[in-house]
Amino acid sequence: DTGVSQDPRHKITKRGQNVTFRCDPISEHNRLYWYRQTLGQGPEFLTYFQNEAQLEKSRLLSDRFSAERPKGSFSTLEIQRTEQGDSAMYLCASSLQGMDTEAFFGQGTRLTVV
Amino acid sequence: DQQVKQNSPSLSVQEGRISILNCDYTNSMFDYFLWYKKYPAEGPTFLISISSIKDKNEDGRFTVFLNKSAKHLSLHIVPSQPGDSAVYFCAATYSGGYQKVTFGTGTKLQVIP
Repeated sequence: DTGVSQDPRHKITKRGQNVTFRCDPISEHNRLYWYRQTLGQGPEFLTYFQNEAQLEKSRLLSDRFSAERPKGSFSTLEIQRTEQGDSAMYLCASSLQGMDTEAFFGQGTRLTVV
Repeated sequence: DQQVKQNSPSLSVQEGRISILNCDYTNSMFDYFLWYKKYPAEGPTFLISISSIKDKNEDGRFTVFLNKSAKHLSLHIVPSQPGDSAVYFCAATYSGGYQKVTFGTGTKLQVIP
């Protein structure tokens, strides 16, 4: 297992288009997290899953954002009707339950909305 | 509202000397603190952590100090090495909410050979 994998690494899209990102966590990890990082800021928590259940969502996650983890393995994050303010690095992380404070991060997907 | 603050955006240190990275927090509920290191084009990597029941935690060249009364923590790297050049994020969380970690804005450390 090579760690948390995210796809694509980079995405450029026009304003108003929908985009979807994928995250493959470390295989035995049952917790999966999404964070967003904008320029000059640290990562900001968006949401997390325990297995297939989405247990918490940040208020940063507007109704244009939806995340799924259908089989408790990989996860997708979709942004509908993208806006320029959505331009950011989207980071995925995973951990074992009970080891939340030592999550492993992927390399991120950099989204640019033009 | 920035609950975790890293007021120094950058720091330059000579190789072999001590690097001290500082972090302040405002939320009294935070009881667990972490440092992550991030290289360009990579995700953050967990470095070291400390619980609020301790005031010091050491791991090799890295030591984290916690001053609860001042709501301040610091990361000491001794001796600093060129490979330590990276962005360091201070982060905090709390019992019952360890899944949600609040990060600072980061300090870019440059270790000069």
